[in-house]
Amino acid sequence: EAGVAQSPRYKIIEKRQSVAFWCNPISGHATLYWYQQILGQGPKLLIQFQNNGVVDDSQLPKDRFSAERLKGVDSTLKIQPAKLEDSAVYLCASSSLGPGTGNTIYFGEGSWLTVV
Amino acid sequence: EDQVTQSPEALRLQEGESSSLNCSYTVSGLRGLFWYRQDPGKGPEFLFTLYSAGEEKEKERLKATLTKKESFLHITAPKPEDSATYLCAVQAFKGAQKLVFGQGTRLTINP
Repeated sequence: EAGVAQSPRYKIIEKRQSVAFWCNPISGHATLYWYQQILGQGPKLLIQFQNNGVVDDSQLPKDRFSAERLKGVDSTLKIQPAKLEDSAVYLCASSSLGPGTGNTIYFGEGSWLTVV
Repeated sequence: EDQVTQSPEALRLQEGESSSLNCSYTVSGLRGLFWYRQDPGKGPEFLFTLYSAGEEKEKERLKATLTKKESFLHITAPKPEDSATYLCAVQAFKGAQKLVFGQGTRLTINP
């Protein structure tokens, strides 16, 4: 079974430029997450989608970050304009819909962003 | 607010030297406690989910246990390939099914 796919793996941009990251979740997974992981810290949730809809975006800096999930499959996370403090790994994750004990969240390899 | 604290931040062991990593948590109704392994340059890799106090799960040299306030990841006779950052996360019943992570423990096993 294919895992969560992300691209690009690495990106270096100057501050005030824009960048976009793409994610393709595990086939059939209805829930998709974007996490931000700053070096030396644990991942922090930015936004969670259930199919097409946003479930939680309380920690997304909406003045510069945006995300969409068209047709309930792929997702794109955009940062515009980027700041130095946005340098981090952006992790996409997915899980299957449903309650109970099987709801493991699987992560992709991450997209590494350096803002200079 | 749900919180997770992991200790120690870093741990260096000799090959074969057993030890434990700690994960203390506060959560409004625990749905599950997750352990992940993260290698440098990679995304977190799922290890275990624990759902209720007293539960234990094992995988090779790793055993995870859960109480009402903390979880332990016991590493028995570790090998250099067990070197990684180990992340603990909680998932609450309330609200969305997001994971709240600790900062991780960076484990190094010297040969």
